[in-house]
Amino acid sequence: DSGVTQTPKHLITATGQRVTLRCSPRSGDLSVYWYQQSLDQGLQFLIQYYNGEERAKGNILERFSAQQFPDLHSELNLSSLELGDSALYFCASSVAGHPKYGQETQYFGPGTRLLVL
Amino acid sequence: DAKTTQPPSMDCAEGRAANLPCNHSTISGNEYVYWYRQIHSQGPQYIIHGLKNNETNEMASLIITEDRKSSTLILPHATLRDTAVYYCIVLSQKLVFGQGTRLTINP
Repeated sequence: DSGVTQTPKHLITATGQRVTLRCSPRSGDLSVYWYQQSLDQGLQFLIQYYNGEERAKGNILERFSAQQFPDLHSELNLSSLELGDSALYFCASSVAGHPKYGQETQYFGPGTRLLVL
Repeated sequence: DAKTTQPPSMDCAEGRAANLPCNHSTISGNEYVYWYRQIHSQGPQYIIHGLKNNETNEMASLIITEDRKSSTLILPHATLRDTAVYYCIVLSQKLVFGQGTRLTINP
């Protein structure tokens, strides 16, 4: 158990809909990262938040957005869903989030499996 | 981000040491080597990381060559539960996961 929690575990929805995925980081961690894992793309970094502010952006679509709240939990919002958005979405957390040449270990949650029909 | 190269798959007998190689010839002087694994569709699990020296923890050992262009992850006594995809990552700003090595532990 990494200490990172994600809800829900599974989500089934229809194209065009909007969903919200939730992540609670490990106690004491200030940074939250979101990743997407689909069958044909592997694990892709989406976005990072540090203490409420966006720190880094990866391959995140404009239809997707995220935020980190004062209690440090984070939400990933996916809108206008398409079939291709079906994937596993993982959240990770780390203590600081300013990796000075990789001194930040990220711990991953169990993921949310999204199926868009 | 420095690129890593790993064999796509490996097999190992239960109880033996599993040695997983990784090439990272373009690694910069201050970049760390990280290893994660993913069992089936679970969240990636952190294993170990290192910069220059060899490292050991309760899960594994990491051997980094003197020129830092390659490394080996060693699982000393592999069990069936070690069957997973193992990712070697050179971390600068963010984790970039490649295809990894699918390690199968056979009884």
